[in-house]
Parts: sequence; C-alpha cells; structure tokens
Amino acid sequence: KAGVTQTPRYLIKTRGQQVTLSCSPISGHRSVSWYQQTPGQGLQFLFEYFSETQRNKGNFPGRFSGRQFSNSRSEMNVSTLELGDSALYLCASSAGTITMTQFFGPGTRLTVL
Amino acid sequence: GESVGLHLPTLSVQEGDNSIINCAYSNSASDYFIWYKQESGKGPQFIIDIRSNMDKRQGQRVTVLLNKTVKHLSLQIAATQPGDSAVYFCAEKGQGAQKLVFGQGTRLTINP
Repeated sequence: KAGVTQTPRYLIKTRGQQVTLSCSPISGHRSVSWYQQTPGQGLQFLFEYFSETQRNKGNFPGRFSGRQFSNSRSEMNVSTLELGDSALYLCASSAGTITMTQFFGPGTRLTVL
Repeated sequence: GESVGLHLPTLSVQEGDNSIINCAYSNSASDYFIWYKQESGKGPQFIIDIRSNMDKRQGQRVTVLLNKTVKHLSLQIAATQPGDSAVYFCAEKGQGAQKLVFGQGTRLTINP
C-alpha cells in the first residue's frame, strides 16, 4: 500500500505571497491532519479533516486554511506569507478510528524569503 | 492544558546497548500514546503505540511502558543499531480528542 504523499517537497516563496500544499493519504484513510514543524516550536497541530469536514483546529491564525476533497486528498493554504511561516509542513493520514494512529508523509519544506 | 515533554533532549548510547527514552505527559485523561521516529529529511515514522488500559507493549526490539500513576511514558530500544539514530517523539491523544499532542523530541545518537 502506498504511503502518504505530499507535493511539492520543497518550496520557496517571498513574504506576502500565498502557497498551497497538497497531501494524498493512504488509500482508504479518511482522516488527514496537518502539522507545522519548526526547530523552536516542534510539531504543532494545524487542523484535521475527516470526510471533507474540518473536525479539529489548532491555534494558528486564519491565514492558515485547508480543505479535503471527496477522494480524501487534502490541501492546505497559507496566505500572506510571513518569514515565520518557514517550516516543514507535515501531513498525516489515519483511518479515523479512535486510536488515531497517524502515518506521516515526507513533508513539504517551505522557505519564506 | 495538554503538554507532553521529554526529560532529555539528547541521548548518546553505544551500539549494541539498550536505549531508554522518556516522556512525561500532563493530561491524565489521555487514552492513547504513540512513539514516532524521525530521521533527517523525513516525516515521523510510527514505531509503537499503547492504549491507556495497558502498561506495557512490545514490538520488534522496542517496548513501550506506560505508568499512569506518574504520567510517564518510555520507549526502550534493545540492542541499538546505527539505523536507530534519529529524533524520537512521544505523542498523546486526549480522551475524545481528535488530535495528537507531540513532545519536543529526543535526539538519539548511536556511538560505534
């Protein structure tokens, strides 16, 4: 079974721009979660989607948004990029059961200049 | 609020020795815990999980111990190998919650 895939793997943007990242979950998984990873803050939860609905949201500003499609693929968007948005953005999928075992993709490395 | 922390940010062990990575959590209502391994340039890789109704679970060369009395979680890696060098994260899920809270991570270095 193929793992979680994320595109693109690397991205360079400038301040003020917006960016869209994509995640394809493991086949059959209906839950997709997004995390931001930085050296200073570690892994921080952004949001989680299940069956096209946002079920949970972390403490990030409204510039961070996401969506999930009927095939469970998910995108996250960051508008008006700031230097502090430079990070590794990780997507994780799970079957959505109570145990919530999440399987991560390789991440998208975003650099904001 | 929820917080998951690690006692040591770095750990160095000799190849072949056993490693123990510790994690403290603060939410006594957490019902599910996971250990992840993250190698450089990769996303976190699932290692082993444990539910709160258990106190020990074993996998291949790894054992997770859960002490709910002191809210402590540990990962034991037997006969560590160079490929075990990575950052290890513990994560918890609060009861009824739909998200994982991660600790800061421990960097494990294996010395030859």
